[in-house]
Amino acid sequence: QVHLVQSGAEVKKPGASVKVSCEASGYSFRSYGISWVRQAPGQGLEWMGWISTYNGNTNYAQNLQGRLSMTTDTSTNTAYMELRSLRSDDTAVYYCARDNGLGSHYWGQGTLVTVSS
Amino acid sequence: DIQMTQSPSTLSASLGDRVTITCRASQSFSSWLAWYQQKPGKAPKLLIYKASTLESGVPSRFSGSGSGTEFTLTISSLQPDDFATYYCQQYNSYPWTFGQGTKVEV
Repeated sequence: QVHLVQSGAEVKKPGASVKVSCEASGYSFRSYGISWVRQAPGQGLEWMGWISTYNGNTNYAQNLQGRLSMTTDTSTNTAYMELRSLRSDDTAVYYCARDNGLGSHYWGQGTLVTVSS
Repeated sequence: DIQMTQSPSTLSASLGDRVTITCRASQSFSSWLAWYQQKPGKAPKLLIYKASTLESGVPSRFSGSGSGTEFTLTISSLQPDDFATYYCQQYNSYPWTFGQGTKVEV
């Protein structure tokens, strides 16, 4: 079965960085891209970006450009999302999802990132 | 960017009701649209992709249609497990934007 397992909850201070991991199993990692989506408390879904696990190409939401980095490690079938210069409005649950450009068929369990002084 | 607007934002319905949720796009595109269901504290679940293709394992009471700027998700007979929030997402062009969500409640 396909599984995406994310790293645990994080508490960060404003201005810090956070790096969330997403370990994939049960399929050929390089055959599907990974999307990252976040959801602030009580709010809707926000697409953050997508990375090709085949060649590392990325597409980021414009409002996160400059603060966001997505990477992969094909030796461990793990995708990473790093967000820098954290602000209080970055407090959210962050999800990774296996995405082939037609829809996110499999999702991680979510990682709560809390930004608070 | 393509803006996706869902209506209604909240929908009150009863068991057995036929429910329709609409997603309107700010620009026209073909069929690069997905629908998700999300329950509190859970990750979203893919229901429909390519506007009308039912994801494996999803009950046949869910259906999707549309193209251009208007897309719909229909639940033919609302079941207890269907009370949730539903989101559309376009995959026509980056950024892959979501609608704001439609909460289906009793």
